[in-house]
Amino acid sequence: EVQLVQSGVEVKKPGESLRISCKTSGYSFANYWIAWVRQMPGKGLEWMATFYPGDSEITYSPSFQGQVTISANKSISTAYLQWSSLKASDTATYYCARRCSRGDCFYAFDIWGQGTKVIVSP
Amino acid sequence: EGVLTQSPGTVSLSPGERATLSCRTSQSLSNSFLAWYQQKPGQAPRLLIYRTSSRATGIPDRFSGSGSGTDFTLTISSLEPEDFAVYYCHQYSRSGDTFGLGTKVEVK
Repeated sequence: EVQLVQSGVEVKKPGESLRISCKTSGYSFANYWIAWVRQMPGKGLEWMATFYPGDSEITYSPSFQGQVTISANKSISTAYLQWSSLKASDTATYYCARRCSRGDCFYAFDIWGQGTKVIVSP
Repeated sequence: EGVLTQSPGTVSLSPGERATLSCRTSQSLSNSFLAWYQQKPGQAPRLLIYRTSSRATGIPDRFSGSGSGTDFTLTISSLEPEDFAVYYCHQYSRSGDTFGLGTKVEVK
């Protein structure tokens, strides 16, 4: 079974750093893009970036370029999203999602993690 | 990235009724790269439709997608109680992805 399991709730203060994780299983991690999607409280979905573990290619949304860093550890099939200095406006739920191949579902996001809630408050 | 405009923002319907949700793109895009997701409170989104009209695995046939160019539609032929949720359209392009702001389908 293909699964994306994300790390748990984080409560941080402004200015702190943070790294959240998305552990994948049930498929070849290197061969599928992973996306990160933000959902602020009561709001819609925002695409942040996509990452290809096979060659470490990353595409950032202009809205998030320079604000976050995407990385991965292929040996443990895990992707990461990190901040060097959090702001209150980073309070949101963050989802990782797998982008399927063109042959499977034409690059839609077919499998999602359960979400990581990040709360940034003084 | 293009802009996806979903309408209406909220629609109030009764179980058994038909729901018609619209997604308009700012640029004409290939039908191949338009998808729809359902999200219920406290849950992650779930893929319903990809390539404009193909149902994802396990999605009931009361869900259907259509459209071309800049106008796309998700139709729920007869609402079941579990269908009351928020629906998002999504487009993929080489330069990035975009989601619409969502349409909430609520119980009338």
